[in-house]
Amino acid sequence: GAGVSQSPSNKVTEKGKDVELRCDPISGHTALYWYRQSLGQGLEFLIYFQGNSAPDKSGLPSDRFSAERTGGSVSTLTIQRTQQEDSAVYLCASSSGQGTQPQHFGDGTRLSIL
Amino acid sequence: AQTVTQSQPEMSVQEAETVTLSCTYDTSESDYYLFWYKQPPSRQMILVIRQEAYKQQNATENRFSVNFQKAAKSFSLKISDSQLGDAAMYFCAYSFYGGATNKLIFGTGTLLAVQP
Repeated sequence: GAGVSQSPSNKVTEKGKDVELRCDPISGHTALYWYRQSLGQGLEFLIYFQGNSAPDKSGLPSDRFSAERTGGSVSTLTIQRTQQEDSAVYLCASSSGQGTQPQHFGDGTRLSIL
Repeated sequence: AQTVTQSQPEMSVQEAETVTLSCTYDTSESDYYLFWYKQPPSRQMILVIRQEAYKQQNATENRFSVNFQKAAKSFSLKISDSQLGDAAMYFCAYSFYGGATNKLIFGTGTLLAVQP
C-alpha cells in the first residue's frame, strides 16, 4: 500500500515565480493537511481539507498561498510571486478523518527561492 | 492558544543506554491528544507514540514510553536500549480532540544523536 506521495521532492525557483506542489494522499483518506517546516523550526499548519467540506485555511500566511483538492484526492498547494521567506519544506499529511486518527506524512517538498 | 515547548535543542545518548526527551504544552482544553514524531534525514515524519489525555496510563510502544503528567502539562519520551537507527529529530505535538480540524501543533524539535 502506497503512503502519502509528494512531488517534486525538491524545487528551486527564482523569486517572483509561481510554484505548485502536489500531494497524493493515502487511498481512502478523507482528511488532508499541509504543513510548512522552516529551517530550525517546527511544523506550522497551513490548510486542512475534509471530504467535501469547506477547507480550513486559517494557517495560510498570506493571500499568495492557495490550495485546492480535486475529487477529494490529490491536492495542490500554489504559491504565487514567491519570496525568499517562502523557502522551507512543505509537508503533506492525510488521515482517515475519523476522530483523531493519526496523520501519515509524505517526504515533503524542499522549496528553495533564489 | 495552544503551544508546545521542547527545551532541549540537542541530546546525545550512547548506544544501548536510555534517554529522555522533554516536552511541555499549554492548553485550556481537557480532551486532547499528544504525540511524538520522529523525523530522520529522509524528512518523513514517523509517528512514534500517541497518548490520549483522558487515559491515566502512560503509553508504551516497544522501547518507547512516555511520562504523561497532565496537571503539570508535561509529556516526556523515554527511549530505552537506544539504537543507531533512533538518531533523528524528534517532535512533540498536540491535537485538540473535538476540534474541527484536528491539526497538529508542533514543538521546535530535539535532535537526538546516538553514539556507538
